[in-house]
Amino acid sequence: DTEVTQTPKHLVMGMTNKKSLKCEQHMGHRAMYWYKQKAKKPPELMFVYSYEKLSINESVPSRFSPECPNSSLLNLHLHALQPEDSALYLCASSQPILRDTTNYGYTFGSGTRLTVV
Amino acid sequence: KQEVTQIPAALSVPEGENLVLNCSFTDSAIYNLQWFRQDPGKGLTSLLLIQSSQREQTSGRLNASLDKSSGRSTLYIAASQPGDSATYLCAAKPIIQGAQKLVFGQGTRLTINP
Repeated sequence: DTEVTQTPKHLVMGMTNKKSLKCEQHMGHRAMYWYKQKAKKPPELMFVYSYEKLSINESVPSRFSPECPNSSLLNLHLHALQPEDSALYLCASSQPILRDTTNYGYTFGSGTRLTVV
Repeated sequence: KQEVTQIPAALSVPEGENLVLNCSFTDSAIYNLQWFRQDPGKGLTSLLLIQSSQREQTSGRLNASLDKSSGRSTLYIAASQPGDSATYLCAAKPIIQGAQKLVFGQGTRLTINP
């Protein structure tokens, strides 16, 4: 299996809602990432998990809460979002730098299109 | 700090032409450079991954080169087809202690005209 699976593909939520984005991979990768992408811009890194521990938080507002329950799953919990948070949210995985391998290629999921109303 | 630049931002060519997309990076200390394709509203599809020790990689009609000394990578697309229309992103993996970041260029939006 060489895929990263994200659900749901589309999500519309109100500013008072709580929702979660899910990401799953079975490539044995031990680093997983959340990216946010606005139209016509490259992806922006939000969070990095390495060996199921949060290693990077790019000063993301607390209304975004990541979770890594195990080595295959990554969640992003959303609460009290703002309309400007509407974007494509991408999950990715790779081997972490400390792993004894030179292959640090990234695999991305197809994304969740989030609209906050 | 690693910076990645892609020129041009947009490119439109007739079907059948061979074309080259450019990517430049400021710091040669990288693990690898990866080329992605992105269709509108979709995720990133990895096209080619070039390790730091490699000079080029090929997959079908695509060929990517890496020249660390000049800080450049190119993606060559042979015999372009309308289905190649997409945004192409290059991304470098910097060698920084403890870092897990990928540095993206701004992308080249490619249109192949039938």
